[in-house]
Amino acid sequence: AIQLTQSPSSLSASVGDRVTITCRASQGISSALGWYQQKLGKAPKLLIYDVSNLERGVPSRFSGSGSGTDFTLTISSLQPEDFATYYCQHFYRYPLTFGGGTKVQI
Amino acid sequence: QVQLVESGGGVVQPGRSLRLSCAASGFTFKNFAIHWVRQAPGKGLEWVAFISYDGGNQYYADSVKGRFTISRDNSKNSLYLQMNSLRAEDTAVYYCARAPVSDDSLDIWGQGTMVTVSS
Repeated sequence: AIQLTQSPSSLSASVGDRVTITCRASQGISSALGWYQQKLGKAPKLLIYDVSNLERGVPSRFSGSGSGTDFTLTISSLQPEDFATYYCQHFYRYPLTFGGGTKVQI
Repeated sequence: QVQLVESGGGVVQPGRSLRLSCAASGFTFKNFAIHWVRQAPGKGLEWVAFISYDGGNQYYADSVKGRFTISRDNSKNSLYLQMNSLRAEDTAVYYCARAPVSDDSLDIWGQGTMVTVSS
């Protein structure tokens, strides 16, 4: 199975900061990568699909980039509602896998 | 509105079985593939299983292969997960999630149902 390694596992940031989270795949996955946000006690929410496509209704401060094995989620200006855990997931082939998550804290 | 609602969770002894359900509404269920994803307490997300829009294809995580079976009834707008030979490590919140036609993400999620495997 393809492994996804996220870094960092947690980070502390302030409102207005630029935040970058990385996701590295154990082999090339083309552009088959998405990002999700999960708040405590809630279901995950899709943010980005196919590396860089913003899901409808997601604020434009979220962006994704990368290709092959290295991918990035960027929040350009962190807002109070963005404090959450973020996961990457690949859709390259089955079985699918998620990264270990990155907790963004105040 | 577009919605997925899981049910069937509970406390079950190791080695026993449980069947989860996922009821869909607000969209044409028969046109979409659906996945199960789980999350153990305090842990990250783990993909569990996939079923195609017509039920013709299923895939499983190695951790559940041979014990879990995903199925669907498009006439009832419902998805199921039959879980047999349950283990303590299957304890988790189980989510059903819809894949869009492009099958490149999980765009709609249910609220989850808790399964606890304990004697």
